[in-house]
Amino acid sequence: GNSVTQMEGPVTLSEEAFLTINCTYTATGYPSLFWYVQYPGEGLQLLLKATKADDKGSNKGFEATYRKETTSFHLEKGSVQVSDSAVYFCALHAGGTSYGKLTFGQGTILTVHP
Amino acid sequence: NAGVTQTPKFQVLKTGQSMTLQCAQDMNHEYMSWYRQDPGMGLRLIHYSVGAGITDQGEVPNGYNVSRSTTEDFPLRLLSAAPSQTSVYFCASSYVRGENYGYTFGSGTRLTVV
Repeated sequence: GNSVTQMEGPVTLSEEAFLTINCTYTATGYPSLFWYVQYPGEGLQLLLKATKADDKGSNKGFEATYRKETTSFHLEKGSVQVSDSAVYFCALHAGGTSYGKLTFGQGTILTVHP
Repeated sequence: NAGVTQTPKFQVLKTGQSMTLQCAQDMNHEYMSWYRQDPGMGLRLIHYSVGAGITDQGEVPNGYNVSRSTTEDFPLRLLSAAPSQTSVYFCASSYVRGENYGYTFGSGTRLTVV
């Protein structure tokens, strides 16, 4: 079956530090990959996505590249801010007849200190 | 444009009680889904629907029922609540337009079963 594995958390950084959150996946076929962010007390918001190999998704300074050869979709940001403190979820959509179904990683809690 | 609306936002139930979590979307999306979020486990799919009158089970369907009589509404029913169903529940709607598709999440329902 499909699965997503995220790096163990939580992650604590100082403001302006470099961020990497690792995400690897297992899927048949050609999945699309997503990063969602959940701010405290809120629902999930789409941060970025990539639909095919070598695509780079980017938004709000965050980037992730779809690497089919390593089945990875790591999230990076060059300089984090306190406002980036949230829970980050990597997810995949398997395609084909899987519309309506996302498979999520376990989430990574990010805390950024001033 | 309200997006995906979930009610209630918070609920406390006693073991054995029943209740319905409401979910409504106004975007005319074909697909709707229910997920539960538990610490360290990400979001797991409970049930999903590919259109009015059509539902199917996800990863963790036991103890939950769904129906989809209209495109807009997708209620989740707990027939006899158990403490193991204490969780945060998210409803999502999604669409497909050619090669483009997207998901919209509600703000969640925090359920405690005592």
